Amino acid sequence: AQSVAQPEDQVNVAEGNPLTVKCTYSVSGNPYLFWYVQYPNRGLQFLLKYITGDNLVKGSYGFEAEFNKSQTSFHLKKPSALVSDSALYFCAVRDIVGGNTPLVFGKGTRLSVIA
Amino acid sequence: DGGITQSPKYLFRKEGQNVTLSCEQNLNHDAMYWYRQDPGQGLRLIYYSQIVNDFQKGDIAEGYSVSREKKESFPLTVTSAQKNPTAFYLCASSIRTEVYEQYFGPGTRLTVT
Repeated sequence: AQSVAQPEDQVNVAEGNPLTVKCTYSVSGNPYLFWYVQYPNRGLQFLLKYITGDNLVKGSYGFEAEFNKSQTSFHLKKPSALVSDSALYFCAVRDIVGGNTPLVFGKGTRLSVIA
Repeated sequence: DGGITQSPKYLFRKEGQNVTLSCEQNLNHDAMYWYRQDPGQGLRLIYYSQIVNDFQKGDIAEGYSVSREKKESFPLTVTSAQKNPTAFYLCASSIRTEVYEQYFGPGTRLTVT
């Protein structure tokens, strides 16, 4: 079975500092990995995905994520945080072995960027 | 949220009543999904459909029902059998290929008293 863990419920960072939101996964085959962001009372917005190829994936709003197969991780990063980045972030995985199955989501990490 | 509409945004019902949440998409996506979101629990899959007239139970299907009579529409009924129906409900859709992401609607917040 596939699963995702986001070990931090809350991440606080000062504006202008780099940010990292952690994600680890477990799949039986190779993973497809995704990051989403959710603002209050809104749906989820897609940020980026890893399918294959370069381990560093660039996405929307200056975010990027690094796929690390040996550590089974897919951490979300941004070089310089903005107050407007404050939101709830979800990591999700789909096992390539399972075909077009629904994404499995982590429990989310709340990012707070302090001015 | 573009391309997927959920209505209404807020819904209030009395305990014991069935209620149907609407989800419509104009993205020509084959697959559609319903998730439930509760604080601290992330997104939990209720039902999904990969093609018209077919759907599968997710992790928490008890007390819910769905239909998929049209490609564009995937309504969710919260029945009186659902013990804790108050939650934020999210509908999503995707192209029927595993490399593609899911697109989400704006959500419906259901409150049952």
